Amino acid sequence: ETGVTQTPRHLVMGMTNKKSLKCEQHLGHNAMYWYKQSAKKPLELMFVYNFKEQTENNSVPSRFSPECPNSSHLFLHLHTLQPEDSALYLCASSQGTPDNSPLHFGNGTRLTVT
Amino acid sequence: RKEVEQDPGPFNVPEGATVAFNCTYSNSASQSFFWYRQDCRKEPKLLMSVYSSGNEDGRFTAQLNRASQYISLLIRDSKLSDSATYLCVVNMYGTASKLTFGTGTRLQVTL
Repeated sequence: ETGVTQTPRHLVMGMTNKKSLKCEQHLGHNAMYWYKQSAKKPLELMFVYNFKEQTENNSVPSRFSPECPNSSHLFLHLHTLQPEDSALYLCASSQGTPDNSPLHFGNGTRLTVT
Repeated sequence: RKEVEQDPGPFNVPEGATVAFNCTYSNSASQSFFWYRQDCRKEPKLLMSVYSSGNEDGRFTAQLNRASQYISLLIRDSKLSDSATYLCVVNMYGTASKLTFGTGTRLQVTL
């Protein structure tokens, strides 16, 4: 079983839909992240959870709503998205401490908003 | 100045060549540094951490120059399978939540 799994792999949704992205990590890590990757742009950090507590919200619009029920699971709830929200959404996990622990990414959800 | 800056490339090199990428960062207090590799339409994967004394992993050598605030990645004896985008990642503020990514350098290794 891979370390970080994301579902679905691909998602097409209209601007009025509500959908959720799911992430699960099997690495025993304490920190989980949502990143957005758009074409020609660096990865943008969206949210960080450490021991299930949200520690970072990087000025993300409220149409993106994260949920972390436990250290192994992370969700990103989506509603009333805009076409510019189309991107690759990557979940990642890390040990959380020490600070120099690297990230382990899931294979991403490619989102298209029509 | 961008927080983490990389030459986007593409770098087109023949098999067997040696190629080097540089990455500059703006925050002198940055504490940890990484190179990630991202294949087309795939997730980034950790290639190697970068240590102060420099480190090597097979054909890959990473170096850190704190005085000039850059890190480098050297790939020797390039293989076709090395074709990918190489992302420079810097821990800007000393916490895991502040890893900042460069836009990546695209490498294409050809026959």
